[in-house]
Amino acid sequence: EAGVAQSPRYKIIEKRQSVAFWCNPISGHATLYWYQQILGQGPKLLIQFQNNGVVDDSQLPKDRFSAERLKGVDSTLKIQPAKLEDSAVYLCASSPRAGRGYEQYFGPGTRLTVT
Amino acid sequence: QKEVEQNSGPLSVPEGAIASLNCTYSDRGSQSFFWYRQYSGKSPELIMFIYSNGDKEDGRFTAQLNKASQYVSLLIRDSQPSDSATYLCAAQVSGRGAQKLVFGQGTRLTINP
Repeated sequence: EAGVAQSPRYKIIEKRQSVAFWCNPISGHATLYWYQQILGQGPKLLIQFQNNGVVDDSQLPKDRFSAERLKGVDSTLKIQPAKLEDSAVYLCASSPRAGRGYEQYFGPGTRLTVT
Repeated sequence: QKEVEQNSGPLSVPEGAIASLNCTYSDRGSQSFFWYRQYSGKSPELIMFIYSNGDKEDGRFTAQLNKASQYVSLLIRDSQPSDSATYLCAAQVSGRGAQKLVFGQGTRLTINP
């Protein structure tokens, strides 16, 4: 079974530029998550999709971050404009469902450096 | 107040000994708890999860849950150098319309040969 795929793996941009990340979840997984992990911290949930609908985006900085999941499969996360504090690893995860005990499988992440 | 708290470490344990990792959570509505291992520069990988009070064993790993004390722990028996990593504790809480995971900051574990 193929895992969660993400691209690019690394990205370096200047502040105020825009950037987009792509995620392809495990086939058949209905729930998709985007996390931000700052160095030395645990992952922080940014947005959660159930199929192609948003179920939780309470911690997404909506003035600069946006995400979509077209057709309930692939997802993109965009930052525009980027700030220095956005430097982090952006992790995508998927799970079969969002219920109790359903584990999340993480992709390799995209390491973003904003200069 | 952080919802999930872990000692950031580093925790240093000699090879062959038992490593004990601890985690507390604030949301009494939390239903399930997960332990993830994260090697430097890699993504988190699930070790095990627990949702009933008591112990759950899987090989060298034992998860312990005490809902009354809002406390979760992970024991690693016969620690190996390959166990050196950051261990993330996560609580599954009710979010807006769905369950979500809230992670602690992680404990960095080093196994000394």
